[in-house]
Amino acid sequence: EIVMTQSPVTLSVSPGERATLSCRASQSISSNLAWYQQKPGQAPRLLIYGASSRATGIPARFSGSGSGTDFTLTISSLQSEDFAVYYCQQYNNWPSITFGQGTRLEIK
Amino acid sequence: QVQLQESGPGLVKPLETLSLSCTVSGGFTSGYYWNWIRQPAGKGLEWIGRIDTSGSTDYNPSLKSRVTMSVDTSKNQFSLKVTSVTAADTAVYFCTREDVWGSYRLFDYWGQGTLVTVSS
Repeated sequence: EIVMTQSPVTLSVSPGERATLSCRASQSISSNLAWYQQKPGQAPRLLIYGASSRATGIPARFSGSGSGTDFTLTISSLQSEDFAVYYCQQYNNWPSITFGQGTRLEIK
Repeated sequence: QVQLQESGPGLVKPLETLSLSCTVSGGFTSGYYWNWIRQPAGKGLEWIGRIDTSGSTDYNPSLKSRVTMSVDTSKNQFSLKVTSVTAADTAVYFCTREDVWGSYRLFDYWGQGTLVTVSS
């Protein structure tokens, strides 16, 4: 099983600042990675797929990068609605897929 | 617009069978996979398995011995059964659509989730 490890567990950032979230795979997954955002009481929402492609309707302040084992989700200028939990997910080992444990992005 | 809605009992006794259904509106078609994902309170996401409209399935190896998924295209539904449940199966259960194209695998539509509690 490919293990996805996200860091940090919690990230405190002020509105308007940049947030950088990390995700590491236990083995190479090429660019077969997605990012999801989850707000309390809601289902996750797809943000990024293919490590760097934004999903439909996702603002340009969200960007993804990386390949192989190390990936980054960057939010360039945090808005109030961006404070949430973010999950990475690998699908390189499809049909099996695995998620990271999540990073909670909180207001500083 | 595709919409998914989970339904089923919110309380299941230990060692009994958890049964949930997901009704899809706006496009329950071939070319996609239909998944179940769960989330214990305050924890992360766990993929349970997927089914396509022909009934072909894939399951998480850690749950495979207890999980069965089925599909009813006449009702635009797919279903999940988990046998011999314990408190560890208490979670919010989401049904999702998985879009597959090229090398991409995307969970692009989700139900709102339904809480299932395992307790006597």
